[in-house]
Formats: sequence, structure tokens, C-alpha cells
Amino acid sequence: GENVEQHPSTLSVQEGDSAVIKCTYSDSASNYFPWYKQELGKRPQLIIDIRSNVGEKKDQRIAVTLNKTAKHFSLHITETQPEDSAVYFCAAREDTGGFKTIFGAGTRLFVKA
Amino acid sequence: GAGVSQSPSNKVTEKGKDVELRCDPISGHTALYWYRQSLGQGLEFLIYFQGNSAPDKSGLPSDRFSAERTGGSVSTLTIQRTQQEDSAVYLCASSTRKDGNNEQFFGPGTRLTVL
Repeated sequence: GENVEQHPSTLSVQEGDSAVIKCTYSDSASNYFPWYKQELGKRPQLIIDIRSNVGEKKDQRIAVTLNKTAKHFSLHITETQPEDSAVYFCAAREDTGGFKTIFGAGTRLFVKA
Repeated sequence: GAGVSQSPSNKVTEKGKDVELRCDPISGHTALYWYRQSLGQGLEFLIYFQGNSAPDKSGLPSDRFSAERTGGSVSTLTIQRTQQEDSAVYLCASSTRKDGNNEQFFGPGTRLTVL
């Protein structure tokens, strides 16, 4: 079945450094790739997304890249801040037919001040 | 406007009992999803609805799990004969497909504890 693998499971960086989280997906029909941030005890919230017709998308300190041939996509956070500390989930979905969204297992990001 | 709401926020039940979890999506959102999140784990897809129909039920863990949606709005997830391994946070999300908007808005979740 469909699968999304996410690495690393835990990431610790110093404030101001960059953080990179990588995901791979198995369903070649996937064409929509959102990233969610979940702070402790709170609900997941969308932070950025990318479609398969785009290779890169940036929103201030956050960027996502997609390599559809390799079925890889990555989240890049630059100039990390303590408030970036959270669990980040990648996901993949085939958007033309169904809505089934497969999430990665999550990356717990710690930003040390 | 109001976001996705879920009730109850917490549910403690005894093994073998049935439980019903409710989700109120954002008004006008045609798609509704149920996920399960075990402690420290990712989001496990359970089922989604487009309107009142559920095209994909493949994520339901067993036949003890069922869900329905009526009127294209409220959805209930029912777990029969609960087991301890059902303990988790059950999250509901809704989205609209209008104008290519795919963002799923999550509810606060229902924390289910099966003793």
C-alpha cells in the first residue's frame, strides 16, 4: 500500500541554524504534498504545501522542494527560532480522484536557544 | 468563523464498551477525514467522506470501527467493543476543494482511553 517515510525522527539544532526534514513516498500518483506543524498538545496546522507541477516553493523562512522522479520532498527551515520547536509531519495525497492522505511518522524538532 | 470541533474532548471507557466520537466540520467543507494518533506517533488515516459518502474506508483498523456522516456535515466515528489498543487521540479534519484549496483544518481531537 501507500507509504510515506520521514527522516529524521528527531532533530536538534541551535537557534539560527537551518533544519532539513526529508520524506519519500511510494505512490507515484501522489501529486499534493503538505507539511503540518504540531505543537505539544495542539492540533496539526498546515505550514506549507507543494504540488507536483512545482519543484520548489518558499514562504519566508520555510521552503519545500520536490523531486517527483525520485519521489522525494523536503522541508527546509532557515534561521530557526525556539518557537519552531514542534513535531513536523509530511504527507502525500493523490488529488485528482480520492482524498486519502498518507502522513509520515513525524519529526520532533528541538531548537536550542 | 468557527473551526472544526470535536466532542467529547476526553473519553475514558472500559474495555468492551462502545464509544461514539463526534466531529463538526467547518461549515461548507465537503470533505471530512478521521485520523488516529497514538502517543508520540504519526497520523494514521482511518476514513474520509466526500459529502455523505465514504469512498475510502481502507484505513479502518477492524470491523469494530465504523463512521457515518449525515447531511454533509456532522460525522460520528463509532468503535464497538473497545480494546486497550484503541486508546489514542482521534482527530477529525475538514477541507474544501474549492479553488484548488486542499488545506485540511484539524479539530482539537478526542482523547480516548480504554481501561
